[in-house]
Amino acid sequence: SQKIEQNSEALNIQEGKTATLTCNYTNYSPAYLQWYRQDPGRGPVFLLLIRENEKEKRKERLKVTFDTTLKQSLFHITASQPADSATYLCALVFTGGGNKLTFGTGTQLKVEL
Amino acid sequence: DGGITQSPKYLFRKEGQNVTLSCEQNLNHDAMYWYRQDPGQGLRLIYYSQIVNDFQKGDIAEGYSVSREKKESFPLTVTSAQKNPTAFYLCASSIGQLNTEAFFGQGTRLTVV
Repeated sequence: SQKIEQNSEALNIQEGKTATLTCNYTNYSPAYLQWYRQDPGRGPVFLLLIRENEKEKRKERLKVTFDTTLKQSLFHITASQPADSATYLCALVFTGGGNKLTFGTGTQLKVEL
Repeated sequence: DGGITQSPKYLFRKEGQNVTLSCEQNLNHDAMYWYRQDPGQGLRLIYYSQIVNDFQKGDIAEGYSVSREKKESFPLTVTSAQKNPTAFYLCASSIGQLNTEAFFGQGTRLTVV
């Protein structure tokens, strides 16, 4: 079965720095990879989607890369702010899996002043 | 306003009782999903539905049941067969195509005592 791994340890960074989060997957090739933000006690909110034939996607201070050879996606937040503190989840839709959206375990980001 | 609504936000039940969690969307989405989230964990897929009157088991379907009689509604029943039902339950919907984002409800926190 598909396995999606994100760093379970919280990432603490200083305001203004770039945060980089990692999402690794095994087995089947995903058709699409998505990143979501989740605040405590709330449902996840969609941030970015990248297709398997795309290398990089940007949206404001966010950047996502997708390396199907390494089976890895990197999620970057530049000029990070305390308001960026949250848990970030990657989610994959695998080829041949219909619309089954599978999530990783998430990485908690804390941006300190 | 368009959106996805879960109710109630908090739910308490005695052990051995079945309980049904509500999920309604007015986004005209074809696909709907149920996830379970335990403290410090990612989202695990319980059931998903790509179209009315059809649904598939996710990764942890045992002890749960769903129905999809209407496009707008996808209720989840937590049965007494579910060994550890206390968790945060999230419902989501999407257009149904592979490359679209999922919209989440606010979640229902179920506590079984």
